Parts: sequence; structure tokens; C-alpha cells
Amino acid sequence: EVQLVETGGGLVQPGKSLKLTCATSGFTFSNAWMDWVRQSPEKQLEWVAQIKDKSNNYATYYAESVKGRFTISRDDSKSSVYLQMNSLKEEDTAIYYCTWLSFAYWGQGTLVTVSS
Amino acid sequence: DVVMTQTPVSLSVSLGGQVSISCRSSQSLVHNNGNTYLSWYLQKPGQSPQLLIYKVSNRFSGISDRFSGSGSGTDFTLKISRVEPDDLGVYYCGQGTQYPLTFGSGTKLEIK
Repeated sequence: EVQLVETGGGLVQPGKSLKLTCATSGFTFSNAWMDWVRQSPEKQLEWVAQIKDKSNNYATYYAESVKGRFTISRDDSKSSVYLQMNSLKEEDTAIYYCTWLSFAYWGQGTLVTVSS
Repeated sequence: DVVMTQTPVSLSVSLGGQVSISCRSSQSLVHNNGNTYLSWYLQKPGQSPQLLIYKVSNRFSGISDRFSGSGSGTDFTLKISRVEPDDLGVYYCGQGTQYPLTFGSGTKLEIK
């Protein structure tokens, strides 16, 4: 059974940092392309970032709204993908989902609230 | 960026009825490899989104044949037949053809 479990969310002040973790199981992670998607309080879905596998040189892609502030990374030995979020803004407040296989599988999400 | 426009914003249907949801993209979703990466998702209340349809018309594993997708280029449709109580929620379309990947704003389905 495929499982994606996000952790690391919470309340953080604007300008601060937070790192999300997605632990996975049930599939061959080393071959997987992984994405982070967020859902705003208004329920709009927004793709955030993607990381490809080793055979694709771990290429990364970002939404313009997070480019330069967020970094996606992975540890194939731990079957985990990460999202380092720096210089957080109030508009980054959302539920962050880890997804696999072009959004075929989703985690339960972790809530990030950016507020002073 | 490819803008995905869904209509209607919400709709109400009787149990056993049929509904259609439209999704239009601002650019063609035909990839250079010939595939069209248009998907449909359902987010039930309190849950994560789930994949229903991928590449326009392919049902994902375990998805009922009451759900069907069609369309090409920039115009796509999701049809739900014989609506059941468990179908309520918000339906989203999304495109995977071009970065940044984008989603529609959602269509809320309510049961009369």
C-alpha cells in the first residue's frame, strides 16, 4: 500500500523558515518523481515544486511564487522528500501535500500557518 | 502559465442523476510527445484530493465507470452518471503538460 506522510507544519512568523518532510512507503521511491502541492484557505490548489529521480539528475522545478525561497530535496535512502521554506510570507499559509505519480497519490497534508 | 477555467462553480444534482463539468485551458494541452495531460480530481469533505481521471479519459485504479472524461486540445468534460451520495465534494481539473503545473478553481457538487 502506498503511503505518504507529511510532517513539519505549524505556526511560524513572517520571514522565518520551516522544513516539511514527506516519508513514503509502498513504492520504489528512488525511481519516483515527487511533487509538493498546497491548498490555500480559499481551497485553491497550487503546485509548488517537483523533483525528478537520479536518472533525470534530480532536476527540480518551482512555481514562480516560491522560486528562490523554497527548496525541494530528497533522500532516496530514507524514501523521503523535503520542502525547505525560507522567507515565509502570510500568503504561504496553506495545507501542504506531498504527491507521487503526477498527483495520483496524496498524503494527508500538513498545515502551515504564517502569521505574526 | 496555462490557466484552467472550470464551469460551473457549483451544481446541485438529484441522486441517480447525471452531471457534466467543463474545464477549459488557455493553451493546448497536447504535449510534444502526443499525450494530453489533463486530469480530474475529487476532494471529498475533510479529505485530500484523489485522482479520478488521467490523460483526458483514463480512469484511475478503483474508480467507478460512472465517471468518464472526454475532450481534446483546450476543452474537456467530466461526466458523472447515476450520482451517488459519496460523489459530493469539489472537483478539480489539472494539467501536467507544461510547467508550472496548474489546477482549475474547482466545482462544488451538492446532492439535492
